[in-house]
Amino acid sequence: RKEVEQDPGPFNVPEGATVAFNCTYSNSASQSFFWYRQDCRKEPKLLMSVYSSGNEDGRFTAQLNRASQYISLLIRDSKLSDSATYLCVVSRRDDKIIFGKGTRLHILP
Amino acid sequence: GAGVSQSPSNKVTEKGKDVELRCDPISGHTALYWYRQRLGQGLEFLIYFQGNSAPDKSGLPSDRFSAERTGESVSTLTIQRTQQEDSAVYLCASSLGAGSYNEQFFGPGTRLTVL
Repeated sequence: RKEVEQDPGPFNVPEGATVAFNCTYSNSASQSFFWYRQDCRKEPKLLMSVYSSGNEDGRFTAQLNRASQYISLLIRDSKLSDSATYLCVVSRRDDKIIFGKGTRLHILP
Repeated sequence: GAGVSQSPSNKVTEKGKDVELRCDPISGHTALYWYRQRLGQGLEFLIYFQGNSAPDKSGLPSDRFSAERTGESVSTLTIQRTQQEDSAVYLCASSLGAGSYNEQFFGPGTRLTVL
């Protein structure tokens, strides 16, 4: 079983809709969680960290469920510019960082 | 601009040649990672350096791949006797490494094409 698993998609979503992704992780000792965004032919960049209490940044909401070992990302009022690959990232206690393979999102006009 | 830099940005080589890719991490970042990303695929972990600890080489696909890091500064990834399947973008990232907040900062990558 992969340490971090994501649905690869693609998710094809009309502009303005709400879309959510989940990601599961297998190492219960994982300590930090992030969502990264990668645009086509670009390097990944941090979108947001994920905290146990959940956190929101504008149209983006991230949630962590430690009991079930998954994190989620919700995008409201999606824009064409949200089209990208979203990478789930988990940091272990030994500071090694594990990337998921990513979920592709296409926002349709 | 104190981001992660990589060189060269593009490298075209012939099958069987050796190549060396360079990464300059952000100053003060103790952790450094190399990843490979084939076209349309996810990130494939290659190797991880953390401070003075022995590197985690568990992701290197074969003994043709090796990497070195001088202290907490520049790192080089060497691929010997390149094969066509080595064609990919090689990404380097650095992070503070210690503690629970480990945002990774990526370089722009080196696009390797093996003919």
